[in-house]
Amino acid sequence: GIQVEQSPPDLILQEGANSTLRCNFSDSVNNLQWFHQNPWGQLINLFYIPSGTKQNGRLSATTVATERYSLLYISSSQTTDSGVYFCAVAGGTSYGKLTFGQGTILTVHP
Amino acid sequence: KAGVTQTPRYLIKTRGQQVTLSCSPISGHRSVSWYQQTPGQGLQFLFEYFSETQRNKGNFPGRFSGRQFSNSRSEMNVSTLELGDSALYLCASSAYPGPSDTQYFGPGTRLTVL
Repeated sequence: GIQVEQSPPDLILQEGANSTLRCNFSDSVNNLQWFHQNPWGQLINLFYIPSGTKQNGRLSATTVATERYSLLYISSSQTTDSGVYFCAVAGGTSYGKLTFGQGTILTVHP
Repeated sequence: KAGVTQTPRYLIKTRGQQVTLSCSPISGHRSVSWYQQTPGQGLQFLFEYFSETQRNKGNFPGRFSGRQFSNSRSEMNVSTLELGDSALYLCASSAYPGPSDTQYFGPGTRLTVL
């Protein structure tokens, strides 16, 4: 099956700093989603981005499908951005099956 | 629209018991997927249902089973609980049957097996 690697595993920032999270995947995909998991465990959808670039406020994402990677940018980070960020992908006919990376734990200090 | 709901939110069981978790998808969504999240293994896919049919299954033992009802609500069952089944169980729904559709997750059920 598809392998997903996220980097870095941990990231510590001061409020106001910018960051880039990376997701590499091993095969072609037709679904790629970025999630933020809050302290209560809920996965919040950030982007559905199997290819191209999207922006939503201070967050943006780019997926280069031909090179099998995606980047999540967080600008002017806030303490509320803390949590775990997951990249998840699906390919072929993997109905309903997202394969998740191990996540990046982001801590933003005031 | 209301989001994906899961009940109960927390459960404590003992080894050998069985448990049933429930998931109600977003209104109009017909595909429901289940995932298990543990600190050691991360997020792993359990199974997916669409139109009351299981279309995809992850690599879990037969003690893990599920079903979907005609209103798209889904349940998963774990029989003969083991300590290692302690986890956060997440359910997700999507509107269309294709693998490329966006999945939306519920708040999860946190199961503790003693």
